[in-house]
Amino acid sequence: EAGVTQSPTHLIKTRGQQATLRCSPISGHTSVYWYQQALGLGLQFLLWYDEGEERNRGNFPPRFSGRQFPNYSSELNVNALELEDSALYLCASSPDRGGISEQYFGPGTRLTVT
Amino acid sequence: GDSVTQMEGPVTLSEEAFLTINCTYTATGYPSLFWYVQYPGEGLQLLLKATKADDKGSNKGFEATYRKETTSFHLEKGSVQVSDSAVYFCALRTSGTYKYIFGTGTRLKVLA
Repeated sequence: EAGVTQSPTHLIKTRGQQATLRCSPISGHTSVYWYQQALGLGLQFLLWYDEGEERNRGNFPPRFSGRQFPNYSSELNVNALELEDSALYLCASSPDRGGISEQYFGPGTRLTVT
Repeated sequence: GDSVTQMEGPVTLSEEAFLTINCTYTATGYPSLFWYVQYPGEGLQLLLKATKADDKGSNKGFEATYRKETTSFHLEKGSVQVSDSAVYFCALRTSGTYKYIFGTGTRLKVLA
């Protein structure tokens, strides 16, 4: 069974640009979570999608947005990039709403903003 | 608000030493508690979990007990191995809103 996949592995952008990160969950998983792992700050919850709808979001500005497609894959968009957006962005999927089951994490996308 | 606090690392131990990584939490209601491990160059993996007070999660020789009275979920292992070197994250899932909150991670280094 294929795990959670994320693309690209690395992404380099300049300040003010937009970044798009992609996530494919494990087959059969309907929930997708996005996290930001900045150096020294642990994981910060960004967004949770389930069945195509945004169910919850963390304390991030509106320039962080995303969507979930009918095949349950997901996209995270970060507009007007700032230097402090540089981080590892992790996607996780879960087979049920609310993550009663465990979350399975992808390897992440390393975003560098210069 | 809800939060997770875990001991800062790095923690450096010799092989076969006893490990404790402290984790305390603040949350309303009845959260579920988790320990995740991140090996070098890999994503996070669930190590163990506990969903109610007094539950003990265990896996791969690691254990943690959900202590509501002390709002703690300390991770322990009786004899660590070099292969246990990784970053360990304590996390909670809030009840009702199902939001995950992670600690900042504790890096463990085990020396042969």
